[in-house]
Amino acid sequence: EAAVTQSPRNKVAVTGGKVTLSCNQTNNHNNMYWYRQDTGHGLRLIHYSYGAGSTEKGDIPDGYKASRPSQENFSLILELATPSQTSVYFCASGDAGTANERLFFGHGTKLSVL
Amino acid sequence: QQKVQQSPESLIVPEGAMTSLNCTFSDSASQYFAWYRQHSGKAPKALMSIFSNGEKEEGRFTIHLNKASLHFSLHIRDSQPSDSALYLCAVSRTNTNKVVFGTGTRLQVLP
Repeated sequence: EAAVTQSPRNKVAVTGGKVTLSCNQTNNHNNMYWYRQDTGHGLRLIHYSYGAGSTEKGDIPDGYKASRPSQENFSLILELATPSQTSVYFCASGDAGTANERLFFGHGTKLSVL
Repeated sequence: QQKVQQSPESLIVPEGAMTSLNCTFSDSASQYFAWYRQHSGKAPKALMSIFSNGEKEEGRFTIHLNKASLHFSLHIRDSQPSDSALYLCAVSRTNTNKVVFGTGTRLQVLP
């Protein structure tokens, strides 16, 4: 099965600090995604990428940046963290345009901004 | 912006029951429709997907898709306690690769 690895597993940050969440996939998928999950909201798309060097805004991009330096790595950056960004963040990867398209998720990063 | 809504928000059924979960979407150009399951404290995992109108069955799980009604559903036959989880529907246009999820339905199957 496809492997998606996120780091760190847990993070406590201070308001106004910079936070970087990292994601690595070893399955050569073109597309990668960052979602956040909060009770009552399901998974909300923050940023996504078609491949190395590309980033696209999702539905809730404000306060977040993304970076895709290689096929394998996709980072989510919070330049000035706020308490409203306390959440569980999931990275996912998947093939586009195939009949069996599905996303594979990492185990999640629990972020607390104090 | 694609809107994806799920109903009901939560559901409790007895073991052995048929469970039906619903998902509506707003973008009529959507081409990929899928269901994911997330057990407590775990990552979401894909259950099954469908691309064309109609029905698709895999084991105890069946997807129904009606694009004209902007609606698709997941039916679980002979529900088991191990099916207790958060169920998320997902929709996208394959030419954009932007995958949007619904708000989720929390299912509890009682032994």
